[in-house]
Amino acid sequence: AQKVTQAQTEISVVEKEDVTLDCVYETRDTTYYLFWYKQPPSGELVFLIRRNSFDEQNEISGRYSWNFQKSTSSFNFTITASQVVDSAVYFCALREGGGNKLTFGTGTQLKVEL
Amino acid sequence: GAVVSQHPSRVICKSGTSVKIECRSLDFQATTMFWYRQFPKQSLMLMATSNEGSKATYEQGVEKDKFLINHASLTLSTLTVTSAHPEDSSFYICSAGKDRRDFGPGTRLTVT
Repeated sequence: AQKVTQAQTEISVVEKEDVTLDCVYETRDTTYYLFWYKQPPSGELVFLIRRNSFDEQNEISGRYSWNFQKSTSSFNFTITASQVVDSAVYFCALREGGGNKLTFGTGTQLKVEL
Repeated sequence: GAVVSQHPSRVICKSGTSVKIECRSLDFQATTMFWYRQFPKQSLMLMATSNEGSKATYEQGVEKDKFLINHASLTLSTLTVTSAHPEDSSFYICSAGKDRRDFGPGTRLTVT
């Protein structure tokens, strides 16, 4: 069965600090997809990234970067030079290749303060 | 811009009444849509998978007679909460998309 663990319930940082959100997953499939979503206070989930299991190349998008490590079943998300607007709940999710359901982690509440 | 829309964004209803929530894919056809429920400060829990032209697939523990799903077209799925009770108060979110999997803005239901 697939499972996603986000051990960090809440993280508080001061603006301009770098912050890494951890995500560890479990699956028996060799083909799977990993996602990160941002949920600001408004509630809407904002898609950030989708990564397939065959692509271990790390990705950078502006201040966001993702580190995919199959050896440790982790897909961590780093925000560089955090800003107050980054304050939100961030969810990691997994979809196995043979299915179409997303399994979500419990989310990490990120608070960026001035 | 948004690729999945939901309506209404917020609804308050009295106990015992039914509420319908619409989910639309805006610029693509979705043979499958997904309905989630989220309680405050909790994660998203999949309720059911909506299939165009056929019956929805419900997750274990979700009452199909209470949460009616209809997926009558390739761009519209509806979730009807029948005979709503205060414990049905929650944030309901739909999702669609094969690869990217976008989410609607959600519907906050309050049952009084």
